[in-house]
Amino acid sequence: EVQLVESGGGLVQPGGSLRLSCAASGFSFNTYSMNWVRQAPGKGLEWLSFISSSSGRIYYADSVKGRFTISRDNAKNSLYLQMNSLRDEDTAVYYCVRETGFGEPDYWGQGTLVTVSS
Amino acid sequence: DIVMTQSPLSLPVTLGQPASISCRSSQSLVHSDGNTYLSWFQQRPGQSPRRLIYKVSNRDSGVPDRFSGSGSGTDFTLKISRVEAEDVGLYYCMQGTHWWTFGQGTKVEIK
Repeated sequence: EVQLVESGGGLVQPGGSLRLSCAASGFSFNTYSMNWVRQAPGKGLEWLSFISSSSGRIYYADSVKGRFTISRDNAKNSLYLQMNSLRDEDTAVYYCVRETGFGEPDYWGQGTLVTVSS
Repeated sequence: DIVMTQSPLSLPVTLGQPASISCRSSQSLVHSDGNTYLSWFQQRPGQSPRRLIYKVSNRDSGVPDRFSGSGSGTDFTLKISRVEAEDVGLYYCMQGTHWWTFGQGTKVEIK
């Protein structure tokens, strides 16, 4: 069974940093591209970042470019999102999402809540 | 960025009756490889999104056959042939042809 379990969320002050993790199991993690998507409270879904299976290709949405860094450790079956210079508008549930093929997300984790507030 | 526009945003439905959600993109979703990367997701209250349909009309494993997707180019539709109580939730269309963007979501509720 495919499982994606996010962790690392919490309360952080504006300007602060946080590192999210996503532990993958039930599939060959090193053969799949992965993404981060967020959902602000009561709002829709926003794609944030993509990383290919070998980390050779990495992309970001303009809203987080220069502040967030995606990475992965295939030996640990883990995906990460380093978030710096956090803003109030970064408050959201953050999901890691597997991409089964180009443009095709399939499995989502349960999400981890990040709250940016003073 | 491609903008995805769903309608309606709220859809009260009687149990056993059909429901239909429209999704329009601001530009064609046909990729240079010939595929159209349009997916539909269901998000039940308190849960993460679950994919129902991929590449316009392909139903995921385990998804009831009362769910169907159709459309082409810029206009797409998700249909539920007979709504059941477990179908309550938010439904999102998503395009994966040019990065990923999502519709605003349609809230399906029982009348």
